[in-house]
Amino acid sequence: SAVISQKPSRDICQRGTSLTIQCQVDSQVTMMFWYRQQPGQSLTLIATANQGSEATYESGFVIDKFPISRPNLTFSTLTVSNMSPEDSSIYLCSVEGYGMQETQYFGPGTRLLVL
Amino acid sequence: GEDVEQSLFLSVREGDSSVINCTYTDSSSTYLYWYKQEPGAGLQLLTYIFSNMDMKQDQRLTVLLNKKDKHLSLRIADTQTGDSAIYFCAEARANDYKLSFGAGTTVTVRA
Repeated sequence: SAVISQKPSRDICQRGTSLTIQCQVDSQVTMMFWYRQQPGQSLTLIATANQGSEATYESGFVIDKFPISRPNLTFSTLTVSNMSPEDSSIYLCSVEGYGMQETQYFGPGTRLLVL
Repeated sequence: GEDVEQSLFLSVREGDSSVINCTYTDSSSTYLYWYKQEPGAGLQLLTYIFSNMDMKQDQRLTVLLNKKDKHLSLRIADTQTGDSAIYFCAEARANDYKLSFGAGTTVTVRA
């Protein structure tokens, strides 16, 4: 299966600041996604990270709040901008198309607490 | 719509079988997944089934798919304390691979 790492694994941030989360895969993948898991909730898709072009955002999520980069086929970043306590969540990246498989693997997640 | 529904809690005795049920609504789903999330951890892909299959078995795990009723189940044989976790059912939409998740079933294994 894919080996996916995320940095940081956790952070505590002050409101109004921004945090950039990195996602690194050990091999090239077709698709990369970013999800949010609010406390005690299921996962919600934020956006699809597109290599070489702007990310595709789901309803309720906008680029100004969650800018995403994907400079190559193994790396992506998600920035949570101008944070508020409501942004306290686990943020997970996932990948599809690892080793030609049509299965989706998840990173370990970044636990964010905004004070 | 693409709502995925699961029961929220399941308590099972160690050594018994666990059955977690899931219903979905998108008939065009290509793959259906089961993920496991242990406390403080990320999501671990347990197993998946392609939509043209009825059953898939992988060691202690058996997945059953009833496409007519849009019903998916995960059976864990000989449930162990290490199986205590939240189990998420997810469906992949055709064409774009985006996943829609259920709310998760918290499985508690008691001695």
